[in-house]
Amino acid sequence: DGGITQSPKYLFRKEGQNVTLSCEQNLNHDAMYWYRQDPGQGLRLIYYSQIVNDFQKGDIAEGYSVSREKKESFPLTVTSAQKNPTAFYLCASGTGQGATEAFFGQGTRLTVV
Amino acid sequence: AQSVTQPDIHITVSEGASLELRCNYSYGATPYLFWYVQSPGQGLQLLLKYFSGDTLVQGIKGFEAEFKRSQSSFNLRKPSVHWSDAAEYFCAVDATSGYALNFGKGTSLLVTP
Repeated sequence: DGGITQSPKYLFRKEGQNVTLSCEQNLNHDAMYWYRQDPGQGLRLIYYSQIVNDFQKGDIAEGYSVSREKKESFPLTVTSAQKNPTAFYLCASGTGQGATEAFFGQGTRLTVV
Repeated sequence: AQSVTQPDIHITVSEGASLELRCNYSYGATPYLFWYVQSPGQGLQLLLKYFSGDTLVQGIKGFEAEFKRSQSSFNLRKPSVHWSDAAEYFCAVDATSGYALNFGKGTSLLVTP
C-alpha cells in the first residue's frame, strides 16, 4: 500500500539530547513537509522540501534541522536548541505542483523527560 | 497578514443533528481550500477540497462545503451527524501554489447521544 510512514509513534528524550524523527513515503511525491501540532495551536510548518537536496524553513524552524538526500525520505532532527520540543509531529507529502492536497503520516509524539 | 480562522474551538451536537463548521480566510486572491479530519493521536485525512468551479463541493463521509467568495468563507456541513464524526476538524489553505498548506487552529467536535 502506498503511504507515509512515520517512526517511532512515541519517542522520549532527555533534555539536552538531539533526536531524529523518521518519515518515509512511497507515493513518488516530490514535496515533503514537517508540521508541529500543539493543543489549540493547529499545525505549524517547520520545514518543507520541494525536491531532493533542497529544503526551506517554515514558520517555526528554530531548533530543528532536516535533510532530503532521497526522494522517499525527509528526516527531522529536534536539536537541544529547541526550547519546548514536547509536541505531536506530523510529516506530509504532496506532488508540489499546482493545487494539491497533502497526505499525512500517523505522527510521532515526542516527550521530553 | 494572511490567515485562516476557525472561530469555534469546540462544538457539541446531538447525533442526527445537522452540523456546520466555520472557516474564514484572509488572502489577496482566491486560494485553494481544504478540510481535513483528525482522530485522536492520528494523522490527518482529507475530507474535501475546492480549487475552482462549482462552489459547493462534496467530500467523503457525507460532508460538503461551500465556498463563498464575498464572505471569504469555506464552511463545512453535514446534514446528519453520526457518533463516529467526533474528531478534530481543520480548515487549510494553499495560497501559494506548491508551497505548503496553512492550517487553522481546528474545531473539536463532540457528538452526544
